[in-house]
Amino acid sequence: NAGVTQTPKFRVLKTGQSMTLLCAQDMNHEYMYWYRQDPGMGLRLIHYSVGEGTTAKGEVPDGYNVSRLKKQNFLLGLESAAPSQTSVYFCASSPLSGKTDTQYFGPGTRLTVL
Amino acid sequence: AQSVSQHNHHVILSEAASLELGCNYSYGGTVNLFWYVQYPGQHLQLLLKYFSGDPLVKGIKGFEAEFIKSKFSFNLRKPSVQWSDTAEYFCAVCNAGNMLTFGGGTRLMVKP
Repeated sequence: NAGVTQTPKFRVLKTGQSMTLLCAQDMNHEYMYWYRQDPGMGLRLIHYSVGEGTTAKGEVPDGYNVSRLKKQNFLLGLESAAPSQTSVYFCASSPLSGKTDTQYFGPGTRLTVL
Repeated sequence: AQSVSQHNHHVILSEAASLELGCNYSYGGTVNLFWYVQYPGQHLQLLLKYFSGDPLVKGIKGFEAEFIKSKFSFNLRKPSVQWSDTAEYFCAVCNAGNMLTFGGGTRLMVKP
């Protein structure tokens, strides 16, 4: 039982390049989330999904797209990376909503955009 | 929109000192409250949570937190910290919208 895994762990992009971050969970959780973590700002929700085939915007969705084609996977895409997207990205999942259930986090992806 | 404030960004303590980390939130309705911890090089993990009932909540590793509704606060406490408590601590609030809002985090360093 690996829990929540994220690929890749590190990535350096040039401005304008695109990339996809992969999150996978093996706990059969319905809800999945993408956050970004910036110093002094805690974690901010980018997008989330309440089930396979569904996605919704979080607090800071601009510049990102997501897809949940399979229940166990949640992809975060950056179509045209900008230096402001330099951050640590965390994926999380929970069996129900984060309101009453613990969210389980992945190890994070450190992204630098030059 | 709700917000969560953690006023102490960095805290340095010696082992055996008592700890209290402040957390205040701005949402006026029913909330569920969480403290998460991120040890160096590790995932965020749940420390404790409050939904209802006894406002004094006990979590893992000797941590506890008290929900004071009138003060919109959910402060984290531990009577005697250890070096292994060195970590970053995040308070989070979930309201009817089902999304977690995190505070900015508090970095705790415990000197041996």
